[in-house]
Amino acid sequence: EVQLVQSGAEVKKPGESLKISCKGSGYSFTSYWIGWVRQMPGKGLEWMGIIYPGDSDTRYSPSFQGQVTISADKSISTAYLQWSSLKASDTAMYYCAATATASFDIWGQGTMVTVSS
Amino acid sequence: DIQMTQSPSSLSASVGDRVTITCQASQDISNYLNWYQQKPGKAPKLLIYDASNLETGVPSRFSGSGSGTDFTFTISSLQPEDIATYYCQQYDNLRLFTFGPGTKVDIK
Repeated sequence: EVQLVQSGAEVKKPGESLKISCKGSGYSFTSYWIGWVRQMPGKGLEWMGIIYPGDSDTRYSPSFQGQVTISADKSISTAYLQWSSLKASDTAMYYCAATATASFDIWGQGTMVTVSS
Repeated sequence: DIQMTQSPSSLSASVGDRVTITCQASQDISNYLNWYQQKPGKAPKLLIYDASNLETGVPSRFSGSGSGTDFTFTISSLQPEDIATYYCQQYDNLRLFTFGPGTKVDIK
């Protein structure tokens, strides 16, 4: 079965660091781009960035450049999204999604990140 | 940056109605436009890619059209299971993407 499985929900304090994961299976992980999408509570979808695990080519939305880091470890078919210093405004659901072209046809189940003091 | 607008932001229609959502890009994006459906509490699902191509397994009552800056998404006969928010998404040759703000569809 083709799927992306994301890591579990996180509750963190402002200023803490975090790395969430997205593990692909059932397809050629290194031949698909993996993107990350933010959805703040009650809001729409925001595209954050994308990585090609085959060569780690990474692109960021200008809105998220410098705010997060996207990486991948192709040896374990896993992509990551990380923050060095979380803010309350980072509270959101984060989805990973995969595409072989430019339409995201495989989605993870989402990881809820809550940042609160 | 390319900006995407969608209209309406929400709509209410009866079962069996034809529903149309429009998406406009701030500059010419050719046919680099996808449509997604998101049901409450669920991940988005790809419905239409490259403006008018139906994703495998998606019911034929869903369709898309347009090119350049103006695009249309249509549900030919609204069903109760179509209650969701629909998003357009553009992409470019650099694999930079932007979502539209979404259109919430519910049953009258």
